[in-house]
Amino acid sequence: DQQVKQNSPSLSVQEGRISILNCDYTNSMFDYFLWYKKYPAEGPTFLISISSIKDKNEDGRFTVFLNKSAKHLSLHIVPSQPGDSAVYFCAAKEWDDKIIFGKGTRLHILP
Amino acid sequence: DTAVSQTPKYLVTQMGNDKSIKCEQNLGHDTMYWYKQDSKKFLKIMFSYNNKELIINETVPNRFSPKSPDKAHLNLHINSLELGDSAVYFCASSQGARETQYFGPGTRLLVL
Repeated sequence: DQQVKQNSPSLSVQEGRISILNCDYTNSMFDYFLWYKKYPAEGPTFLISISSIKDKNEDGRFTVFLNKSAKHLSLHIVPSQPGDSAVYFCAAKEWDDKIIFGKGTRLHILP
Repeated sequence: DTAVSQTPKYLVTQMGNDKSIKCEQNLGHDTMYWYKQDSKKFLKIMFSYNNKELIINETVPNRFSPKSPDKAHLNLHINSLELGDSAVYFCASSQGARETQYFGPGTRLLVL
């Protein structure tokens, strides 16, 4: 039973355009959400997070939006760059509990 | 100066063997984790240690035994390896359970 779902296994976006990666969750007790980025043959690296008391968090080209009523979050990357090509994992956690990861979305930035 | 390191990076072994994967972090973190990424790409936590004490132990066969000799190390020993143990194993660390986790590069285990 997947508590964190990333329904798009892959996404292709033109360089310079906006990349939008989506994530849905089922556990209403989650209060902290994270995005991790992973290159091949490397471990995931933390990208950005958001607490459930907020609906938006921005860090440079990366913005995460949280819609608690819809149990949905999204990661926006603008403008998309070639180095953004990677697998992006959405993750969520309850207070002091383990992180639950989604299956990941592979983002391809096209030249 | 790698923050979280794992050895070996690749491990190919026969069914039934016993193997260990080592993890070290030089970030001064007090919490360390082992994750398994299976063939379906799910990344799932296996164990978590805080200050050398086990705090999370998911439903993992008891053939898997983590050992934390000190705060900077969390090793994973696997007995009687099975085909289904083939996966990528990631170690991670954080300063407290709520803080950002930093991952190692992964150990690719293939059981033949």
